Amino acid sequence: QQQVKQSPQSLIVQKGGISIINCAYENTAFDYFPWYQQFPGKGPALLIAIRPDVSEKKEGRFTISFNKSAKQFSLHIMDSQPGDSATYFCAAGGLSGTASKLTFGTGTRLQVTL
Amino acid sequence: KAGVTQTPRYLIKTRGQQVTLSCSPISGHRSVSWYQQTPGQGLQFLFEYFSETQRNKGNFPGRFSGRQFSNSRSEMNVSTLELGDSALYLCASSFTTGEKLFFGSGTQLSVL
Repeated sequence: QQQVKQSPQSLIVQKGGISIINCAYENTAFDYFPWYQQFPGKGPALLIAIRPDVSEKKEGRFTISFNKSAKQFSLHIMDSQPGDSATYFCAAGGLSGTASKLTFGTGTRLQVTL
Repeated sequence: KAGVTQTPRYLIKTRGQQVTLSCSPISGHRSVSWYQQTPGQGLQFLFEYFSETQRNKGNFPGRFSGRQFSNSRSEMNVSTLELGDSALYLCASSFTTGEKLFFGSGTQLSVL
């Protein structure tokens, strides 16, 4: 009940295209949904996060869409750039009274080609 | 502002040994969380400390332990190492036990 399922496992997008990564969760008690970006040899870095009281949040080229009834959320990267090539993780938190205990998805390896 | 610092960066141990990993959070951050990252299991929560108290613990055996000092620095210890403990151990800090976790680059532990 605490799983977060992420798809696709890998994604190849042309420069300038839109990258879309999807996640689904089971436990409705989750109330915090961040996305992290990880480059090789580095720790994950917070990109953008959303709470379930809003359906969309946009920061620059990154947008989270959230569907509470379907228990799904997605990351859209607009105008994808080669520098966006990294592994992206969705996560869910808020259980046990803290957003620090995150349940992560399995990751999506994004490659943006020229 | 300096980021989260983890030492050492790489570590090689043999089965049965124990290991201690260190984490210095961002200045002013009082919460430190630890995660294990492996290709097979992904990122898994180990534990969280706030003001020297363990607030949450993940589903790991008792061989995994941690502590936090009064200056918010944290250590985690793994005793009786097993091959399956080979992983990247990540430390993350936050201002309180809340959002915006800032991760360090991790300690890559190899158990031979």
